[in-house]
Amino acid sequence: QQQVKQSPQSLIVQKGGISIINCAYENTAFDYFPWYQQFPGKGPALLIAIRPDVSEKKEGRFTISFNKSAKQFSLHIMDSQPGDSATYFCAASNLDTDKLIFGTGTRLQVFP
Amino acid sequence: DVKVTQSSRYLVKRTGEKVFLECVQDMDHENMFWYRQDPGLGLRLIYFSYDVKMKEKGDIPEGYSVSREKKERFSLILESASTNQTSMYLCASSFWTGTTGELFFGEGSRLTVL
Repeated sequence: QQQVKQSPQSLIVQKGGISIINCAYENTAFDYFPWYQQFPGKGPALLIAIRPDVSEKKEGRFTISFNKSAKQFSLHIMDSQPGDSATYFCAASNLDTDKLIFGTGTRLQVFP
Repeated sequence: DVKVTQSSRYLVKRTGEKVFLECVQDMDHENMFWYRQDPGLGLRLIYFSYDVKMKEKGDIPEGYSVSREKKERFSLILESASTNQTSMYLCASSFWTGTTGELFFGEGSRLTVL
């Protein structure tokens, strides 16, 4: 069965610290790995995404690190801010289908 | 901006009732999806559609059906609601398959079945 395993389930970080969320996948046919951010009362929104032909992608304070051989990828949030407090979902898909398989989510809380 | 609108934010229904959840997108997207979100389980795909009058089962289709009569509208139907269908339901849409893969989500419909 296709699965994406995400950890930790919750994360508490002080302002200015680094938040790290990890995901692992099983299906080697996956070729698209996005992260979605969800604030309370809102739907998830795309934060950043990576294809497996690169090992890292950075957008501002957000970085995806990708390890194809280990079938793992992670989200790093540098200089975490209280406004980053949200639930983060990793996901994976084959772009031929657009059918995203989501992880179980990580609730991030950043305290001042 | 892309807008995906779910008509009902909160619903309370009784066991056995038929429930309709409506979703409309305004960006002429080909693909539409229904997910349910439960704590600790993440988002699970119920049904999706790549075109009008077309539907495919996702990972948890049991107890649900869908309808897509127009390109912009995708409805989720619970024929006979049960308490284990109490959940947050999220509709999403995307451009045709093979492009960015980005899903645009609505704000969700929280369904409580008593």
